[in-house]
Amino acid sequence: EIVLTQSPGTLSLSPGERATLSCRASQSVNSNYLAWYQQKPGQAPRLLIYGASSRATGIPDRFSGSGSGKDFTLTISRLEPEDFAVYYCQHYDGSPYTFGQGTKLEIK
Amino acid sequence: QVQVQESGPGLVKPSETLSLTCNVSGYSISSGYQWGWIRQPPGKGLEWIGSIYHSGSTYYNPSLASRVAISVDTSRNQFSLKLSSLTAADTAVYYCARAFDIWGQGTMVTVSS
Repeated sequence: EIVLTQSPGTLSLSPGERATLSCRASQSVNSNYLAWYQQKPGQAPRLLIYGASSRATGIPDRFSGSGSGKDFTLTISRLEPEDFAVYYCQHYDGSPYTFGQGTKLEIK
Repeated sequence: QVQVQESGPGLVKPSETLSLTCNVSGYSISSGYQWGWIRQPPGKGLEWIGSIYHSGSTYYNPSLASRVAISVDTSRNQFSLKLSSLTAADTAVYYCARAFDIWGQGTMVTVSS
């Protein structure tokens, strides 16, 4: 089973700043089968990034994903007020699919 | 527009079996994709339960595999989850999703006597 570890656990930033979220896998994720989700309170997760770097439909270009192998990054170039939420990474490189524990992005 | 929607009981007794259904609209399940169930205990992270492909192949989280069954009904364009031998640890919001790109709003399931 691939274990995903996200850091930091909580990130405190102000609107307009740049956010960098990390996701590290316990073993290499083949074909970059790595996704990122945003979840707001009381809502279902929303797919942001798939294939490590491809934006899902309707996702603003301030969201970008990068990385390969074991290390992946989600970058939000300029934070908007609606971006403050919890972010999860997930691999889908074979069963069992696993999620990271999440990074909470909060307003400073 | 593709939509998925969970339905089922909000309260289930310990040791009983949970049955949830996910109704799919705007897309035919038999056309492709994998269809899955994910849960989230209150205040905690996401856990993948299992998935079923349009072909009928299933994949389950090993931690739940002995208690889980996912099936598909293409005639009704829906897929279902059964989770047996429930305990309080199974209390969670249960989501259905299409290949993780389209999610339902989730349904809260509480296991309590």
